[in-house]
Amino acid sequence: SQQGEEDPQALSIQEGENATMNCSYKTSINNLQWYRQNSGRGLVHLILIRSNEREKHSGRLRVTLDTSKKSSSLLITASRAADTASYFCAPGGGADGLTFGKGTHLIIQP
Amino acid sequence: DGGITQSPKYLFRKEGQNVTLSCEQNLNHDAMYWYRQDPGQGLRLIYYSQIVNDFQKGDIAEGYSVSREKKESFPLTVTSAQKNPTAFYLCASSPGQGAYDYGYTFGSGTRLTVV
Repeated sequence: SQQGEEDPQALSIQEGENATMNCSYKTSINNLQWYRQNSGRGLVHLILIRSNEREKHSGRLRVTLDTSKKSSSLLITASRAADTASYFCAPGGGADGLTFGKGTHLIIQP
Repeated sequence: DGGITQSPKYLFRKEGQNVTLSCEQNLNHDAMYWYRQDPGQGLRLIYYSQIVNDFQKGDIAEGYSVSREKKESFPLTVTSAQKNPTAFYLCASSPGQGAYDYGYTFGSGTRLTVV
């Protein structure tokens, strides 16, 4: 599988603000997944968006996918301190395991 | 509750020693994976298994070995051939893989340190 590239590498915002992070990839996909990792913990699956979907919501999360630009974005609305974590995207659909980039490190300031 | 259990949480290895990291899942998932994470880095795939008694090398398999004798278990052995094994190791599972991928469930990880 190919590796997604998250941008920015680090993001610091005030609590209550919205956080947006982006993911780019190189070749066509069947789906794209977003994960969260709290410091020293395993990854937690947040959302999967399929290639025929343009937008998907889950609680305070909104994910978009633009297959023509080979990019995706993750929006976290009304951020909370508990949202402080690293966020990874994973372009999926290959026969082998998912590949993860360096992620976006999000810090929510109180 | 269903999930993935990795043990131990912390492991110390002496030079030249083989160590085995345990990964057990009770989710009835077919596919299992091992990743390595170095500080400030992404996850790199070591090995994966889509079915019992079958496994495939990932991007960084050298110095590692695995077995998949049971659906629930996918242990990883870090051999003495792995020259820089200090890292955070994560095990994951999914119902299956292919065109309709599913989200992965991860364990809490094992932090391996060479002493």
